[in-house]
Amino acid sequence: GAVVSQHPSWVICKSGTSVKIECRSLDFQATTMFWYRQFPKQSLMLMATSNEGSKATYEQGVEKDKFLINHASLTLSTLTVTSAHPEDSSFYICSASPPGGRGWVETQYFGPGTRLLVL
Amino acid sequence: KQEVTQIPAALSVPEGENLVLNCSFTDSAIYNLQWFRQDPGKGLTSLLLIQSSQREQTSGRLNASLDKSSGRSTLYIAASQPGDSATYLCAVSGYSTLTFGKGTMLLVSP
Repeated sequence: GAVVSQHPSWVICKSGTSVKIECRSLDFQATTMFWYRQFPKQSLMLMATSNEGSKATYEQGVEKDKFLINHASLTLSTLTVTSAHPEDSSFYICSASPPGGRGWVETQYFGPGTRLLVL
Repeated sequence: KQEVTQIPAALSVPEGENLVLNCSFTDSAIYNLQWFRQDPGKGLTSLLLIQSSQREQTSGRLNASLDKSSGRSTLYIAASQPGDSATYLCAVSGYSTLTFGKGTMLLVSP
């Protein structure tokens, strides 16, 4: 089946530093990738949708200058949290959709998540 | 804006019990509804997906039903096992977005 990986799985950083999280589709090409954030005991919230080769579409309330998304290839999307602060500590999950899936939920394959702790 | 509510927020049962998890959503104009499992600190595992035209789906000991008109879905777990302990998330979809509930944290004790 379709596999999506994320790296790193855990990251701890100091306040003010930038953190990059990678999302890779290992055995399929992903025209669309999604980034979600999940705070403890809360729902997964969609942050942004990225299509290969174009700018990401951010959800309302998500700062695009703070959460930089690059979908440079059909197998890789990166999320960079710039100047991270303690309130950015969260669980970040990506998902990927193969071509022809039109982004419908049944064609979203989820990564294992990245836990970010900002001290 | 779609809102998804899951009840109960937490559930603790002894092994062997049958149980029902509930999910409700405010906008019945959905494409489909999906149930996921999330283990602590881990990503999502898709359990069942119900298309908007379907009433239920079954996989092993799991059965999910959908009543789109009333905005409700249930996940039925038969003969629960300790390995079923996890958080169960319900998600409803528009064309290319998912709206998740907060989940039901299930603990099945031996």
